[in-house]
Amino acid sequence: DAGVTQSPTHLIKTRGQHVTLRCSPISGHKSVSWYQQVLGQGPQFIFQYYEKEERGRGNFPDRFSARQFPNYSSELNVNALLLGDSALYLCASSLVAAAFEQYFGPGTRLTVT
Amino acid sequence: DQQVKQNSPSLSVQEGRISILNCDYTNSMFDYFLWYKKYPAEGPTFLISISSIKDKNEDGRFTVFLNKSAKHLSLHIVPSQPGDSAVYFCAASDAGNNRKLIWGLGTSLAVNP
Repeated sequence: DAGVTQSPTHLIKTRGQHVTLRCSPISGHKSVSWYQQVLGQGPQFIFQYYEKEERGRGNFPDRFSARQFPNYSSELNVNALLLGDSALYLCASSLVAAAFEQYFGPGTRLTVT
Repeated sequence: DQQVKQNSPSLSVQEGRISILNCDYTNSMFDYFLWYKKYPAEGPTFLISISSIKDKNEDGRFTVFLNKSAKHLSLHIVPSQPGDSAVYFCAASDAGNNRKLIWGLGTSLAVNP
């Protein structure tokens, strides 16, 4: 079975641009969470979606948005990119919103110049 | 305010010996704890978890111990193997936050042949 997949794997953008990151969860998993990992730190929670509804939001500005599609895949959008948005963006899937374990994809490495 | 703390940024052990990775937490609402392993350029891989109603959970070479009164948990790897060399993250969750994961900063483990 395929694990969590994310695309693209790497991305370079300039300040002010916007970016869309994509995630496909494990088959049968209905919840997707997004995390940002800056170098040298642990991942920070951005969003959780379950059955296409937002179930949680971390302490990130409104420039960050996300959505979940009927097939449970998800997109993370970031507008007006800042240098500080450079990070590894991780997608995690779980069976339900409050599942104990989450399974992570390989991440998308975003570099903002 | 770091709710999950991994105070040792790095650890080096000899192959075949025991590796002990430590984690402390401050939020008494946390009731589920997880360890993830991360290689460079990959997403975190779930290793082992423990509920707050237990004090020990074992899976092969990996054992997690939880001391609730001290708000401390540890991951033991016995025997350590060179392939265990990676960054290990401790994460915690509580039911009140839809189980969003709160992460430590990670400990980089090097197992020397």
